[in-house]
Parts: sequence; structure tokens; C-alpha cells
Amino acid sequence: KAGVTQTPRYLIKTRGQQVTLSCSPISGHRSVSWYQQTPGQGLQFLFEYFSETQRNKGNFPGRFSGRQFSNSRSEMNVSTLELGDSALYLCASSLGGGTYEQYFGPGTRLTVT
Amino acid sequence: AQKVTQAQTEISVVEKEDVTLDCVYETRDTTYYLFWYKQPPSGELVFLIRRNSFDEQNEISGRYSWNFQKSTSSFNFTITASQVVDSAVYFCALSEAQRSNDYKLSFGAGTTVTVRA
Repeated sequence: KAGVTQTPRYLIKTRGQQVTLSCSPISGHRSVSWYQQTPGQGLQFLFEYFSETQRNKGNFPGRFSGRQFSNSRSEMNVSTLELGDSALYLCASSLGGGTYEQYFGPGTRLTVT
Repeated sequence: AQKVTQAQTEISVVEKEDVTLDCVYETRDTTYYLFWYKQPPSGELVFLIRRNSFDEQNEISGRYSWNFQKSTSSFNFTITASQVVDSAVYFCALSEAQRSNDYKLSFGAGTTVTVRA
């Protein structure tokens, strides 16, 4: 069974730009979660989608948004990038969300200059 | 308030030594799930174990073992006879199942384990 895939793996953007990250979950998994990992804040929950509906959102500004498609693939978008958005963005898929095992992708390393 | 505390920032051992990683959690729910993940230098989080709050049986899987104690809100992880390939950051995480809209994992800060040959 193929694992969670994330594209792109690396990204360099300039302040003020926007970026879209993509995540393809494990086949059969309907829940996709996104996490931000930084050296200072650690792993922080961004949001979770299940069957195209956002069920939970972390404490991030509205510049961070996401969506999920009917095939369970998910995208997250960050608008008006700030230097502090530089991080590893991890996507996780599971059968049903937080109480289930979540399987993580390799992440997208975003650098904002 | 921090829901998951991993007090050990870094642990360095010589190969074949045992390593125990501490995890203390905080929740008001009676139903919750605890997890351990490993993050090797490649960056991908690898799922190791999931336990629910009603199952306090300790578990052993190969060189890994877990000690869950509700009385002390701890879920500790031991690597027996460590190997260089065990070098990674290990994260403990909590999911609180009773909240209707809580589908997230709350992670601890992680413990960096370095195993020297």
C-alpha cells in the first residue's frame, strides 16, 4: 500500500507570496490532518479534514487555509507569507482522525525569504 | 497549558545500552489515546504505538516496550539494547477522544536520542 505523499518536498518563497501544498493520503483513509513543525514551537496542529469537511482547526491565523477533495486528497494554502511561516509542513492520514493511528508523509520544507 | 511533557530534551547512549524516554500527559477526559512517534533525520514521522486509556497493559514489541500508568499520567517508552539506527527524535502525543470536535494530536516537545557506536 502506498504511503502518504506530499508535494512539493521543498519550496522557497518570498515574503508576501502565497503557497499551496498538496497531500495524497493512504488509499482508503478519509481523514487528512496538517501539522506545522518548527524548532521553536515544535509540532502544532493546523487543521483536519474528513470527507471534504474541516472538523477542527488549530490556533493559526486565517492566512492558513485548506481543503479536501472528493478523492480525499488535500491541499493547504498559506497567503501573504511571513518569515515565521518557514517550517516543515507535515500531512497525516488516518481512517478517522486523531484517535486513530495517523500516518505521516515526508513533509514539505517551506523556506520564506 | 502543555498537555504532553517530555522532560528529557536529549539523551546520548552507547550502542547496546537501554534508553527510557519519559512522557507525562494531562487531560480531563476519561477516554483518550496515547501515541509514540519516531522522527529519524529524514524527517518523516513514523508511527510506533497507540494505546487507549482503558488498556494499561504494558506492551513489548521487539526491542521496544511501553509502560502506561494512569495513576501517574505517564506513558514511558524503553528501547532495549539500542542500536545506531535508533538515533532519532521521539515524540509522545495525546488525543482526547471525548471532545466532540477534537481530532488532533497534541505532541510533546520531543526527545532527541543519539546512539553512539
